[in-house]
Amino acid sequence: GAGVSQSPSNKVTEKGKDVELRCDPISGHTALYWYRQSLGQGLEFLIYFQGNSAPDKSGLPSDRFSAERTGGSVSTLTIQRTQQEDSAVYLCASSILDRVSPLHFGNGTRLTVT
Amino acid sequence: SQELEQSPQSLIVQEGKNLTINCTSSKTLYGLYWYKQKYGEGLIFLMMLQKGGEEKSHEKITAKLDEKKQQSSLHITASQPSHAGIYLCGAAPQTGANNLFFGTGTRLTVIP
Repeated sequence: GAGVSQSPSNKVTEKGKDVELRCDPISGHTALYWYRQSLGQGLEFLIYFQGNSAPDKSGLPSDRFSAERTGGSVSTLTIQRTQQEDSAVYLCASSILDRVSPLHFGNGTRLTVT
Repeated sequence: SQELEQSPQSLIVQEGKNLTINCTSSKTLYGLYWYKQKYGEGLIFLMMLQKGGEEKSHEKITAKLDEKKQQSSLHITASQPSHAGIYLCGAAPQTGANNLFFGTGTRLTVIP
């Protein structure tokens, strides 16, 4: 079966524009996560969707960032009015919702804001 | 907030040598995960440890979690160029939590 799929793989945008990043999780995985990885930095947690529960948005860095997960499957991460500091690799992961299953990561979207 | 410290940050070894990467927390870890990342790719899951004193092995990679569940080590025996990449440890912030926080990674280079 397919793994976690993210698109686009690369995105270059001008400062001030809005961008949408897409994540298609592994079928049957009820939990979905977004992380950000900046150059020289570790993985920064952004948001977590758990089944039908309200998402954990505690990691979103500003109100320019939002995410949706429609129908319990595909998720989109939207960044409005992009800034240069938003440049990073955005990684999506999914997992079975239990205490032991690992997160399965996609290959990420490399976002460059010029 | 809880943090994971990894050491060393960078490691260069000759092919065939053994090496160890450490991951340390100031608080008890509820689930410790090791991942490997190659440039331009996502994270590949290696192993998960939950119990104090637990040890797991896969091929030439062994991971251990200490009794206090505050430190984990990843040991590679007879390293190969295919082992090169960034190794990241991740942990759950509390029991039952699914979202992980991660260390800053260890970049491993293996010289043929």
